[in-house]
Amino acid sequence: KNEVEQSPQNLTAQEGEFITINCSYSVGISALHWLQQHPGGGIVSLFMLSSGKKKHGRLIATINIQEKHSSLHITASHPRDSAVYICAVAQGPGNQFYFGTGTSLTVIP
Amino acid sequence: DTAVSQTPKYLVTQMGNDKSIKCEQNLGHDTMYWYKQDSKKFLKIMFSYNNKELIINETVPNRFSPKSPDKAHLNLHINSLELGDSAVYFCASSHGGAAFFGQGTRLTVV
Repeated sequence: KNEVEQSPQNLTAQEGEFITINCSYSVGISALHWLQQHPGGGIVSLFMLSSGKKKHGRLIATINIQEKHSSLHITASHPRDSAVYICAVAQGPGNQFYFGTGTSLTVIP
Repeated sequence: DTAVSQTPKYLVTQMGNDKSIKCEQNLGHDTMYWYKQDSKKFLKIMFSYNNKELIINETVPNRFSPKSPDKAHLNLHINSLELGDSAVYFCASSHGGAAFFGQGTRLTVV
């Protein structure tokens, strides 16, 4: 069983839709990351969270430490949001990272 | 300036060859990693170094050997390349839970 579970694995949305990607983890963490990877591209860290909620443009990330759950929301989705979104948790003290399997998002115009 | 840089970005090579992928970070981080991303986009940790010392060595063939000449560099050497080694390899560094990734090296073994 993976330490980090993401859902859904694949998601297709119409442009403008509100999108939610969920992440659950089973280990104690020092931080949780939401990562974005465009096709053929590198990995970019969108958010690093240890509590609460963060917002950047149309992206919102929340985390509930007690429930070991995080969500990534995209408001007013756009085709350029099409990418793989990966949840990753950092576990101290060696800062080992565990990764979810990723959610492949396709936004259709 | 790129925080974590990997070279080369693309590598095509024949089976049986030996190749290296280089990684450098200019962030002053103590911890560096190598990950392999398989065809299903799942990232699996291969190695982790902290201050030039190996702290994680997952079950990878011993044809893969990391080398850390200093804490800013973590290179990956692969001997006797096999078809199944084809993948994207990512280098990363971290400090205090913050992680930065290189752009990835797409290795194709033919």
